[in-house]
Amino acid sequence: NAGVTQTPKFQVLKTGQSMTLQCAQDMNHNSMYWYRQDPGMGLRLIYYSASEGTTDKGEVPNGYNVSRLNKREFSLRLESAAPSQTSVYFCASSEDPAFYNSPLHFGNGTRLTVT
Amino acid sequence: EDKVVQSPLSLVVHEGDTVTLNCSYEVTNFRSLLWYKQEKKAPTFLFMLTSSGIEKKSGRLSSILDKKELFSILNITATQTGDSAIYLCAVRGGSNYKLTFGKGTLLTVNP
Repeated sequence: NAGVTQTPKFQVLKTGQSMTLQCAQDMNHNSMYWYRQDPGMGLRLIYYSASEGTTDKGEVPNGYNVSRLNKREFSLRLESAAPSQTSVYFCASSEDPAFYNSPLHFGNGTRLTVT
Repeated sequence: EDKVVQSPLSLVVHEGDTVTLNCSYEVTNFRSLLWYKQEKKAPTFLFMLTSSGIEKKSGRLSSILDKKELFSILNITATQTGDSAIYLCAVRGGSNYKLTFGKGTLLTVNP
């Protein structure tokens, strides 16, 4: 009963390096999300995918790209990492945003440090 | 712009105390308000509220929504050290049903 699985758990990058954060869910959810969490800032939405084949920008999309590979998987890519992207990244999924009685289910997070 | 404000930002209590956490919001096309508990890792879902005045309860935790005054409270009675966590409030609304999170309340329960 995995729920939402994120990899890796931790990552250290140098400025300018690229990487992809992976996320997969096994709950057959339609919608998936990427958030970042910074001290004193709460959770901020980076990108979301309301359904397979669609992606949309959230509150803080600059410096990131996403791919909804299939219904299960939603990846987040940093093309050229910057120290401002040091954060904890959470992937989440929900049944369908239009069913507003469906809560988000979160993965355990990826702690990313950019030096 | 949608806004969710939680207060207090942090709170320290002793075991056995009762606490009330506040969440106020400004959001277009309100759909629902959700409470999450975050310990070391992933936020875990507590409650979803869609109607005013109806209390949701789970053990020592309860929550209620006031859609006229645009706020919700989360009550925890007889607190335990295991209640120590960040409590997040989130509101779903707008034209695309995205969740907007508050900054959270850090609750510390001392033995």
